[in-house]
Amino acid sequence: DGGITQSPKYLFRKEGQNVTLSCEQNLNHDAMYWYRQDPGQGLRLIYYSQIVNDFQKGDIAEGYSVSREKKESFPLTVTSAQKNPTAFYLCASRTLGREYPSPIYQPQHFGDGTRLSIL
Amino acid sequence: GQQVMQIPQYQHVQEGEDFTTYCNSSTTLSNIQWYKQRPGGHPVFLIQLVKSGEVKKQKRLTFQFGEAKKNSSLHITATQTTDVGTYFCAVDQTGANNLFFGTGTRLTVIP
Repeated sequence: DGGITQSPKYLFRKEGQNVTLSCEQNLNHDAMYWYRQDPGQGLRLIYYSQIVNDFQKGDIAEGYSVSREKKESFPLTVTSAQKNPTAFYLCASRTLGREYPSPIYQPQHFGDGTRLSIL
Repeated sequence: GQQVMQIPQYQHVQEGEDFTTYCNSSTTLSNIQWYKQRPGGHPVFLIQLVKSGEVKKQKRLTFQFGEAKKNSSLHITATQTTDVGTYFCAVDQTGANNLFFGTGTRLTVIP
């Protein structure tokens, strides 16, 4: 989608190495998300952030870390503790929704993804 | 949190045949969103359903939300090769600003 840039497109990690995936958005969205997708599988949530300097673990946060120092940026670090990092990583963002007084739900916009492999 | 089961996992159809994918939940859903991911690409938002019994159409695509808001379907009439891809449903998690994605249905269209 226009407005969300992920880099690099392909990344190779050596044994014991930490690598960082970049995600930048210029959509002025409050919330940002990182998903992992394995071949033929669905999307699993790694981390998400609703506001600068705050983030929450998703379903598979172990072996990953994030930061949210700027609204536009939400980098993901795949640490050496993640023993099976080979996957397609997708970053997404959206405007915050709400539940009260009347619910508003927002769609997510995705970047083009980064394919990470082990050397 | 709210979760959905999506079926079938795979579907192969001849071009011109119809296709349907289903999402089912054991709990009442606040909303449901549908996304399409082309091979090698990223998910793209198609539509959102919020109201009980809601039906929305986009050309050959028809989206339905069940009366009890526990299931949803995406139906494609007369499939074309451009419909190839994986279709995901996703639901907002109550109390958390994130989406839970179904496992997806991968559609193959045979020319």
